[in-house]
Amino acid sequence: NAGVTQTPKFRILKIGQSMTLQCAQDMNHNYMYWYRQDPGMGLKLIYYSVGAGITDKGEVPNGYNVSRSTTEDFPLRLELAAPSQTSVYFCASSTDRGYGYTFGSGTRLTVV
Amino acid sequence: AQKVTQAQTEISVVEKEDVTLDCVYETRDTTYYLFWYKQPPSGELVFLIRRNSFDEQNEISGRYSWNFQKSTSSFNFTITASQVVDSAVYFCALSVGMNRDDKIIFGKGTRLHILP
Repeated sequence: NAGVTQTPKFRILKIGQSMTLQCAQDMNHNYMYWYRQDPGMGLKLIYYSVGAGITDKGEVPNGYNVSRSTTEDFPLRLELAAPSQTSVYFCASSTDRGYGYTFGSGTRLTVV
Repeated sequence: AQKVTQAQTEISVVEKEDVTLDCVYETRDTTYYLFWYKQPPSGELVFLIRRNSFDEQNEISGRYSWNFQKSTSSFNFTITASQVVDSAVYFCALSVGMNRDDKIIFGKGTRLHILP
């Protein structure tokens, strides 16, 4: 089983550029999440989705957008990249509340 | 508000020693879930355990054990006879909210170094 697949694994962006981080899961999970991990800061929730067509903001949504047109995919869009968005991004999914997450392997993004 | 506090930023122990990682949580919900995740140097996040708020039984899995105490809002994690492969960052997490509001809140993590 592939689980949660994130692409790309690494990316360097210039300030002001845009990009989409891809996330796909093949477990038919309804819940999907995007977190960012900054050094020594744990994980902070950016956006989440409880099903296709439904998305909600997390703790740090500014500068990002998401969409959930299918159960499988939950892309994260960065518009006008800024150095403050340099981080490791993790996508996760879960089948239901309280069951814990399956995480993707992460995307390391550097904005210069 | 919900919060997870891992007061130990970094711990170093010598191999074969026991080590306990502390986790204190805050929530007003009566139904919640607690988790521990491991992040080894390779960077992935690995689920270790889930515990719901109605189950205060301690759990043991091999060298790992978890002590859940609602009276002190703690969910501590002990590694017995530590090994170098246990070196990682460990995150405690809390899931609260009902229905569609299902989010996991993470602590800042404890970096564990097991010295050979």
